[in-house]
This record gives sequence, structure tokens and C-alpha cells, in this order.
Amino acid sequence: TQLLEQSPQFLSIQEGENLTVYCNSSSVFSSLQWYRQEPGEGPVLLVTVVTGGEVKKLKRLTFQFGDARKDSSLHITAAQPGDTGLYLCAEGGGSNYKLTFGKGTLLTVNP
Amino acid sequence: EAQVTQNPRYLITVTGKKLTVTCSQNMNHEYMSWYRQDPGLGLRQIYYSMNVEVTDKGDVPEGYKVSRKEKRNFPLILESPSPNQTSLYFCASSSPWLEEFFGPGTRLTVL
Repeated sequence: TQLLEQSPQFLSIQEGENLTVYCNSSSVFSSLQWYRQEPGEGPVLLVTVVTGGEVKKLKRLTFQFGDARKDSSLHITAAQPGDTGLYLCAEGGGSNYKLTFGKGTLLTVNP
Repeated sequence: EAQVTQNPRYLITVTGKKLTVTCSQNMNHEYMSWYRQDPGLGLRQIYYSMNVEVTDKGDVPEGYKVSRKEKRNFPLILESPSPNQTSLYFCASSSPWLEEFFGPGTRLTVL
């Protein structure tokens, strides 16, 4: 089973600041998904990256997939309190369905 | 509305009293799975099902049973719950190459 390491584990910032969280593995990812989980709810998919070097943007969120497909990052610009939540990366899916999740980064954005 | 539903959302029970957590999806997905989420351990897969009558163990299957008699339903059974099964449980479903949809979660406490 591939192990995914996410960092930092916890992050508390003020509204308007920028931040980056990371997801790393010693093995090559087949594909990588980023989820956000809000308190009391299940995770919700933000993006899937498949190609090495890929960059995807979702409003103020920018996702990068490393060239070697062993790492990924999520950058949030001008964070807002609504961005508060647990950010999870997950590897796999596709034809074999199974996802392996990292332990997540718990982000708190203070007003 | 596409969704995964779980019941109950909250459950407090005692050691050894059999319980079932139901899960249902309305998206005609082939794949369904159960996860538990614990502080510091992240999301860990308990069991998964590739289709009707096809189930297999995930990473932490001990103490759990599942069945998949219909495509839409995937109940999780705890024959003799123990306190170490106190956790937040999520059901999820997906089709190949599509996102995994999560239910709202069931918070289980075993006394």
C-alpha cells in the first residue's frame, strides 16, 4: 500500500494570507485527487491530476502535480474563513477504484 | 440529486450488541466502500465492493462484515462491537475514473 505524507498536519492563518500544503510519496502516483472535508461532513472532491507537471486552477486554489508524479501541492491565495477544513490527498482510483488517503492537513482560517 | 445516504448519523451502543449501519446510493455506481476516520490515523478503508455479490477486505476489516445484495445498498455490520470501534464511519461510491462520492458520516460510540 502506497503511503502518502501530507504536510503540514495543522495550519492556522489569518484571512487574506496565502498558503501551500503538500502531499508526497516515495512511489509514483497513478493519479492524485484532492478532497476537502468540512466539519460534520464527508470529503468532497476538489480536483484530479493525472499528468506529471499538470497545473489546475479552481478559483483561488491552484493544484500542481510534480513532474515525477511523486508529489503534489495545493496553494490557496487570499484564504477566507470558508476555506477552513481538512484537506486530503488520495492516490489511485480509475479502473481499480481503490483510493489510498493521506492523513490530511487541517486548515483554520481566522477572520 | 446524486447522493450517498447513511443511517443512522449518530449511534451510541454497548459492547457486544450487534448493529448495522445502512448505506445507499442513487447514482448506479458499481463501486462502494466503507471507511473509518480516526484522529491522527486519517481515512482507512474497511471493506469495498466492486459490484453486486463482490466484496473484499480493505485495510482494517477485523470486526466488520458487509454485504452487497443490491447495487444501490452496502450495509456495514458489526456483529459484536467493541470500544475500539468507536469512530466516524463513511460510506462512498464511485464509477471508474469518476470521483468518489461520500456519505455524510455515522458517528458511532461503543461503551
